[in-house]
Amino acid sequence: AQSVAQPEDQVNVAEGNPLTVKCTYSVSGNPYLFWYVQYPNRGLQFLLKYITGDNLVKGSYGFEAEFNKSQTSFHLKKPSALVSDSALYFCAVRDLLPAGFKTIFGAGTRLFVKA
Amino acid sequence: DVKVTQSSRYLVKRTGEKVFLECVQDMDHENMFWYRQDPGLGLRLIYFSYDVKMKEKGDIPEGYSVSREKKERFSLILESASTNQTSMYLCASSLLSLTGRLETQYFGPGTRLLVL
Repeated sequence: AQSVAQPEDQVNVAEGNPLTVKCTYSVSGNPYLFWYVQYPNRGLQFLLKYITGDNLVKGSYGFEAEFNKSQTSFHLKKPSALVSDSALYFCAVRDLLPAGFKTIFGAGTRLFVKA
Repeated sequence: DVKVTQSSRYLVKRTGEKVFLECVQDMDHENMFWYRQDPGLGLRLIYFSYDVKMKEKGDIPEGYSVSREKKERFSLILESASTNQTSMYLCASSLLSLTGRLETQYFGPGTRLLVL
């Protein structure tokens, strides 16, 4: 069965420290992988995506993510966290089915960055 | 910039009422989606549409219907609202590229629905 897992409900990090938000996936075929961010009372905003090519993907607001096929992971990272990064982060995977319309979202990880 | 708007930010309805949630996108996207977001469950796909008058069921279509009469507008209908439909509803749209691969989804701000 296709699935996405975000094993941490919440991640706490001090401002200026590196952050990692974890995501693992299980799909058939080659996946498209995404990270979205949701700030309070807002819709989701696209951060970055992996389709093919380099395993390290750079996205908006200084975020990057590393695709690891052997570990079926796509962890989101940032070298130096900001208080304004505090938000809800969703990992998503889109499987390349013939219809191509299935997008699976993780349950979300809430990131708290403390000053 | 892509803009996806939803008709209401907050709605309060009574059990049994028929509820309409409207979504409009201004970038000529082929694909449009309705999700509901609940704590601990992430986003779950209710319905999607890949063309005018075309619709497909998502993971949780029960109790919902949709309408897409124009390319830019995708409506979600709760035929008879129930308390378990209290949730945040998110609309999204995306292009369908020439390769048939879906592009990034762009989301509206969401509608928080409370059914009493």
